[in-house]
Order: sequence, then structure tokens, then C-alpha cells
Amino acid sequence: QKEVEQDPGPLSVPEGAIVSLNCTYSNSAFQYFMWYRQYSRKGPELLMYTYSSGNKEDGRFTAQVDKSSKYISLFIRDSQPSDSATYLCAMTEYNFNKFYFGSGTKLNVKP
Amino acid sequence: DTGVSQDPRHKITKRGQNVTFRCDPISEHNRLYWYRQTLGQGPEFLTYFQNEAQLEKSRLLSDRFSAERPKGSFSTLEIQRTEQGDSAMYLCASSLQENYEQYFGPGTRLTVT
Repeated sequence: QKEVEQDPGPLSVPEGAIVSLNCTYSNSAFQYFMWYRQYSRKGPELLMYTYSSGNKEDGRFTAQVDKSSKYISLFIRDSQPSDSATYLCAMTEYNFNKFYFGSGTKLNVKP
Repeated sequence: DTGVSQDPRHKITKRGQNVTFRCDPISEHNRLYWYRQTLGQGPEFLTYFQNEAQLEKSRLLSDRFSAERPKGSFSTLEIQRTEQGDSAMYLCASSLQENYEQYFGPGTRLTVT
């Protein structure tokens, strides 16, 4: 079993839709939860992070962590064609020694 | 440009050859991570350095792989006797010590023929 599971998609939505991306994990020691965006043939770019359980909002993006269910989500409101990319969840323990990534969800926002 | 840089961006090599990749992190970052990413997968952790010390290595890092960070600045990743299964994107990331915020380089795409 992988440490982090993520639905690979692809996910295709019309412009303006609300997008929900999710990951589940198995290691209860994970404390920091990140979302990255990756465009084709580029390195991942950090979008948001959350420490422990809770919600965090940044503009059109909201990250949620439910440690009791070992489930994290990223919501994108008013999605734009420029949001089309692969979204990766990542997580790590308190010491940041190793980061574990999901397999990524490919999102396509149609104009 | 003060981001993470990697060289070369692309490398095509024949099976059995040795290859070496270089990563230059953001200058004040003392942690440097190497990852491997195959098509349709997320980055997989290979190893990380804190300054010049290599503190953790994944079981993915077979004895054909070696990484160095001799002066705590740039790092190299060498793959000896390459195999077709080594074809992947090799990503480098750097961060401040014990920080969630990793900055990734553009990656080196390796193709083994």
C-alpha cells in the first residue's frame, strides 16, 4: 500500500466550476500537508500548506485536512483555464526528512 | 535568477553508460532533496542532504546511484551502468532547515536507450 493515495483523474470541468481534489494517507505521523501544482515538463510549485488538522484559505484556493480520517482536500473556486495542470498532494512528518507525494490529479478547465 | 537550477535539462544515454546530474539550490538553503518522477506518478524521494551530510536515503537508491554535496552548496547525482528502468525525470528541491517549503528545480529528463 502506498503511503499517499490520490485519484489520477483526469478531471475535466468548465470554467467557473468548483474543483475538489483529494488525497488519503496511511501514516498518522504526518503533520504538514502541502499541495503543489505542476505544469507539463516543469518542476512542482508549492501552492499551499496546512499544519495538522484544519482549513486554510488563499484566494480561490482552500485546503482542508482531516487527520482523524487521514483525508486532505484542495478546493478551487471559480476555476480558470490557467488552473489546468497536475495537482500533487504531499505530506511529511515534523522533521521534514522525507516528503511523500501522491501520484497527482490532472485537471483540465475548459473555457 | 535565484531559483533552483539543474543541469542538464535533458540527457539521452545508452544502457550501461554512467550519467551525472547537477543541482544548484537556492544559496541560503541548507537542505537539498533528490526525487525521481516517472510518467503519471508523483515525485518519489531518493535522498536528502543537510549541508554536506547525506542524512537519509530511500531503498529506491540502489548501489548504482550515488549523490554528493561536497561543500554544502551544489549537489551531484550519479547513476552508474544505467538501465532502461532509470528513464525518468530527476528533480532536485531545496529548503531551509526543517521547513515545509521546498523549491523545485526544472528537473533533468533522462532517457536510457
